[in-house]
Amino acid sequence: DAKTTQPTSMDCAEGRAANLPCNHSTISGNEYVYWYRQIHSQGPQYIIHGLKNNETNEMASLIITEDRKSSTLILPHATLRDTAVYYCIVRRRGSQGNLIFGKGTKLSVKP
Amino acid sequence: DAGVIQSPRHEVTEMGQEVTLRCKPISGHNSLFWYRQTMMRGLELLIYFNNNVPIDDSGMPEDRFSAKMPNASFSTLKIQPSEPRDSAVYFCASSSGLAGGTDTQYFGPGTRLTVL
Repeated sequence: DAKTTQPTSMDCAEGRAANLPCNHSTISGNEYVYWYRQIHSQGPQYIIHGLKNNETNEMASLIITEDRKSSTLILPHATLRDTAVYYCIVRRRGSQGNLIFGKGTKLSVKP
Repeated sequence: DAGVIQSPRHEVTEMGQEVTLRCKPISGHNSLFWYRQTMMRGLELLIYFNNNVPIDDSGMPEDRFSAKMPNASFSTLKIQPSEPRDSAVYFCASSSGLAGGTDTQYFGPGTRLTVL
């Protein structure tokens, strides 16, 4: 699976949009981009995934660049409860194995 | 759905004792994963099962660790004997293992193990 690069930490004001970037320049055509987050002392939580089209669900939006070498997770109206470590993971289609978690981005939402 | 259920949520034991962690996956899911999280190593896979059969146990640290999945709704991770370096949070996750597609993994709340 392709390697990802994320900033170590980011701050966001409560109520504003949080935009979390991820670089995956070596991604191949059959690899998806997944986002998980881990709130302190909880298990990782699935957020969203996509292949090449932008995706939106009740939690977030995922914007993938046309060349697929980077993506951005958008939390439209961040709340204090969105403070967590966010992981960007690239994963091959049909892969049945484990998720490889990097260090992720520590997002701190401040009042 | 209740999600992935793990028990106990916290376990404190003394070195040398046997520890058993339990997991109930989401109903209908056919893949189950055991992960361990420490500050030093982050989240790492220990073992995963597909249709109750162990597929990859290369992450199991040593013979002191064993995992079973006797049926589709239950799995155990056992450490015997336990050591202080086993102290970590152990997560269980399950997925539907869609053939030819993607399989989103859903995690349980974890078991925080402390070995004194």
